[in-house]
Amino acid sequence: DAGVIQSPRHEVTEMGQEVTLRCKPISGHNSLFWYRQTMMRGLELLIYFNNNVPIDDSGMPEDRFSAKMPNASFSTLKIQPSEPRDSAVYFCASSPGGYTEAFFGQGTRLTVV
Amino acid sequence: EDQVTQSPEALRLQEGESSSLNCSYTVSGLRGLFWYRQDPGKGPEFLFTLYSAGEEKEKERLKATLTKKESFLHITAPKPEDSATYLCAVPNTGNQFYFGTGTSLTVIP
Repeated sequence: DAGVIQSPRHEVTEMGQEVTLRCKPISGHNSLFWYRQTMMRGLELLIYFNNNVPIDDSGMPEDRFSAKMPNASFSTLKIQPSEPRDSAVYFCASSPGGYTEAFFGQGTRLTVV
Repeated sequence: EDQVTQSPEALRLQEGESSSLNCSYTVSGLRGLFWYRQDPGKGPEFLFTLYSAGEEKEKERLKATLTKKESFLHITAPKPEDSATYLCAVPNTGNQFYFGTGTSLTVIP
């Protein structure tokens, strides 16, 4: 398996624009996580899906952020409109489910100018 | 509230100088403690899972141990390639993983 695949790897956008980050989890994994990493706050859990259903989105900063998982092999994280404070590295991770290790993608480095 | 705290924030070691990293946690009912390594520009890479107090896991120069309140990552005779940020994480009852802020390890040749 190629692991968790995220795209794009880098994204530079202007304030106010819509940004969509994409994730393909490891085949057969039931759980999917979106994280945001910054120097100040470390890794923050944004949202968690189990069997394609959002279980907990309490980490989503505000209504500008939304996430979907239309099927077991694809998820998106959308920011609309984007703001400079959204600049960070966004990671997607998947796990087989239960209390087992999560495997991370390479991340998307987002810069909002 | 579930919490994960790592110390020190940063650690500089001479090559061959052994040391330990600490991860302390407060969770209601431990469902596993996970150690990850993160290199610059990459996603965290899974190292170990520990499920019960007294458990130990080893991989090359790394050894992870677990007590009822904390976990240690012991690094024996480190090499420059061990330089990375080491993160620990615990899941809550909802299987959401919460990470500590990490220890940035630098091993000087």
